Amino acid sequence: DAGVIQSPRHEVTEMGQEVTLRCKPISGHNSLFWYRQTMMRGLELLIYFNNNVPIDDSGMPEDRFSAKMPNASFSTLKIQPSEPRDSAVYFCASRRGSRENQPQHFGDGTRLSIL
Amino acid sequence: DQQVKQNSPSLSVQEGRISILNCDYTNSMFDYFLWYKKYPAEGPTFLISISSIKDKNEDGRFTVFLNKSAKHLSLHIVPSQPGDSAVYFCAASQGGSEKLVFGKGTKLTVNP
Repeated sequence: DAGVIQSPRHEVTEMGQEVTLRCKPISGHNSLFWYRQTMMRGLELLIYFNNNVPIDDSGMPEDRFSAKMPNASFSTLKIQPSEPRDSAVYFCASRRGSRENQPQHFGDGTRLSIL
Repeated sequence: DQQVKQNSPSLSVQEGRISILNCDYTNSMFDYFLWYKKYPAEGPTFLISISSIKDKNEDGRFTVFLNKSAKHLSLHIVPSQPGDSAVYFCAASQGGSEKLVFGKGTKLTVNP
């Protein structure tokens, strides 16, 4: 089975530009999570969806960040406008939420650098 | 305020010996705990988990111990192998919630 697929793997862009990160969850998984990893804060949850519906976005840092899940096989995390402090590794994870105590499966991340 | 703490940023052990990674938590409502392993340039990979109704769970070379009264869990790897060299994250959730709270990780180096 294919794992969680994220694109791009690396993104370098200038401050003020719009950034779009993409995620394809594992087929059959109905929960999707976006995380950000930084040295200072570690791995923190930004938002998660269940059955394509956003359930908890309390971790989204500010209005510059938005996430969508238009269907069960695709999600985007958008930053507009981007700032240097947004530089981090962004992970997407998915989970078969219908069963108790199922682990989350992570993609390999997008390393984002804002100059 | 960190609810899940891994106080050792790094750990170095010899091949064949035991590796013990520690994790402390502050939220007494946490009832499900997981360990993830992460190699450079890859995403975290699920390793082993434990429910709060247990105090031990074993899977091959990996054993997780939970001490609820101390709000402490540990991951034992026996015997340690060079391929175990990675960053290990402890994570916790509560009440069936899908939200995981992660520690900042411990980098394990197993020397041949």
